[in-house]
Amino acid sequence: KAGVTQTPRYLIKTRGQQVTLSCSPISGHRSVSWYQQTPGQGLQFLFEYFSETQRNKGNFPGRFSGRQFSNSRSEMNVSTLELGDSALYLCASSVEQGRGYTFGSGTRLTVV
Amino acid sequence: GENVEQHPSTLSVQEGDSAVIKCTYSDSASNYFPWYKQELGKRPQLIIDIRSNVGEKKDQRIAVTLNKTAKHFSLHITETQPEDSAVYFCAARLSSGGYQKVTFGTGTKLQVIP
Repeated sequence: KAGVTQTPRYLIKTRGQQVTLSCSPISGHRSVSWYQQTPGQGLQFLFEYFSETQRNKGNFPGRFSGRQFSNSRSEMNVSTLELGDSALYLCASSVEQGRGYTFGSGTRLTVV
Repeated sequence: GENVEQHPSTLSVQEGDSAVIKCTYSDSASNYFPWYKQELGKRPQLIIDIRSNVGEKKDQRIAVTLNKTAKHFSLHITETQPEDSAVYFCAARLSSGGYQKVTFGTGTKLQVIP
């Protein structure tokens, strides 16, 4: 079966711009979580969606937002990009909230 | 909220030796503890997990132990091989108000020296 698909794989944006990242979960997985990964900071939780509802949110500023569609696909948006937003953004899907994540390959965002 | 501490941050072992990575968590309501392996340039992959009602779980050369009283859990890898070289992340899932939140440790870079 198809895995978790994230698009695009790579992205270069300039400061002040906004960006939208997409995540298509494994078929049947209704939970999608987003993480920011930077060297030395590990995996920082952004938010989790389950059945189109945001169930949890991490400690990120309001510039980071997301949503989930009825087919469980999820998008995250970052507005007014800052240099510090450069990171690998990973999404993970699971059948059950927080259990048995399958991660996508990530979107590597570079802000210049 | 939950806080997960992971030690050591780096670990080098000789091939064939054992490796142990330890994590502590702060919230006793956490009920599920997965471990993920991330090879260089690849996505994290679940390698083993344990629920709070179990003290130990084994899968071939890897095992996880959980001490709920002390609020710590550990990953044990025996007979290490070069392909075990990767970054390992522990995590704890906190159940609160019907919602689940997963907090990851900061990772351990394991190097297995042939």
